[in-house]
Amino acid sequence: DAKTTQPTSMDCAEGRAANLPCNHSTISGNEYVYWYRQIHSQGPQYIIHGLKNNETNEMASLIITEDRKSSTLILPHATLRDTAVYYCIVSDGANNLFFGTGTRLTVIP
Amino acid sequence: DSGVTQTPKHLITATGQRVTLRCSPRSGDLSVYWYQQSLDQGLQFLIQYYNGEERAKGNILERFSAQQFPDLHSELNLSSLELGDSALYFCASSLTISTYNEQFFGPGTRLTVL
Repeated sequence: DAKTTQPTSMDCAEGRAANLPCNHSTISGNEYVYWYRQIHSQGPQYIIHGLKNNETNEMASLIITEDRKSSTLILPHATLRDTAVYYCIVSDGANNLFFGTGTRLTVIP
Repeated sequence: DSGVTQTPKHLITATGQRVTLRCSPRSGDLSVYWYQQSLDQGLQFLIQYYNGEERAKGNILERFSAQQFPDLHSELNLSSLELGDSALYFCASSLTISTYNEQFFGPGTRLTVL
């Protein structure tokens, strides 16, 4: 089921941009890229999603490469509250989300 | 606050018992999803309901069942509980049947089977 590859863990200094990479080399044309995060044992939280254009919202930016085989989630000014596990997911809308193991981001003071 | 509520927050029970977990979706959402998160398995999709009907099944055991009621709240029933069923159980809801829509997750129910 795993369609994405993410680093197991990353650190980021507080106030700096956090750039979380994701490889999805087998993504098909109708699949979107989604990002969710899970803070400690809370319910996962939707962050952003996109198809092929870069997307930005109040939480983050999503940069998708032109060939769509990889993407980067950018948290522009990481805070301690952004420490969480970040999940990159591809979905065609018909199948349910496969969360994988995600990247554990630690924001360091 | 996602708008999704789950009860109870914590549940401690014994092996062989049966429990029911309850979920109320966000107002207006028609789809409800159940997920299980255990330490060794990560977040696993169990089952999806849309407007009262089962729409998709994931890694749900035969000992588990769910339903969505006319008021759109959902219940997940776990029976013949085993130690390995100890986990966090999350409910999520979304507006439509499609997973193109973002899913809003509840705070979860922590089940401990002793």
